[in-house]
Amino acid sequence: DVKVTQSSRYLVKRTGEKVFLECVQDMDHENMFWYRQDPGLGLRLIYFSYDVKMKEKGDIPEGYSVSREKKERFSLILESASTNQTSMYLCASSFTQAGQFFGPGTRLTVL
Amino acid sequence: QQQVKQSPQSLIVQKGGISIINCAYENTAFDYFPWYQQFPGKGPALLIAIRPDVSEKKEGRFTISFNKSAKQFSLHIMDSQPGDSATYFCAATHSGSARQLTFGSGTQLTVLP
Repeated sequence: DVKVTQSSRYLVKRTGEKVFLECVQDMDHENMFWYRQDPGLGLRLIYFSYDVKMKEKGDIPEGYSVSREKKERFSLILESASTNQTSMYLCASSFTQAGQFFGPGTRLTVL
Repeated sequence: QQQVKQSPQSLIVQKGGISIINCAYENTAFDYFPWYQQFPGKGPALLIAIRPDVSEKKEGRFTISFNKSAKQFSLHIMDSQPGDSATYFCAATHSGSARQLTFGSGTQLTVLP
C-alpha cells in the first residue's frame, strides 16, 4: 500500500515563527502536493512538485514556500506564520496517470 | 478559474437508503474524475474514479454516473450504512497538469442507524 506520512499530527506555533511541515512518500511517486483544508472551502492547492527541485504554485501560494530536495520528501514552509494560516494541511502524492494518495494531515494552530 | 461545484453541502440519509451527491464542472479538458472519502481526523482516501469515455462505473455499493454533455457527474451510495458517514469530495483533473486536482467543496454525509 502507498504510504504518505506527515511529520506532525498537531502543531501549535506563535505568530511570526518559521514553520516546517514535512511529508514523505514511499512509492516513488513523481508528483507531490500540499493542500490546506478549511471548513466550507474544501481542499485548496498551495504548491505542487512534479520532479525533484521542481515546484509550481497552486491556487493559494502566498505566505508559503516549498522544498523538494529528494523525490520522496516534500516540505512546506511558512516563513512567518500568521493566524490566518491556522488550518489542516494535507500532503499528497501520485503517479501522473493515477489518483492522489493523501497523508493523515497536520492540524496547525497559529496563536 | 477552474471550478468544480458540489452539492449538497450536507446530507442525512436513513440506513439502507440511497445517498446521492452531485458535481458539475466547467473545464472540458478534464479527463479524470475521482471521488474521495474523508473520515474525521484522517486524510481523504480515493474511493472511486471515472474517465469520460464511460457513463457509469460501479464498485460495490458505490456508483459514479457521468454525463459528459451536461458536464455533470454524481456519486450514488446504495444501501447506505452508518459506517459511510464521512465527508465526500468530488474532484477533476486533466493529464496536462501533472494531475493537479480541482476539488469540490465537500458533502458531509450522515447515515442514521
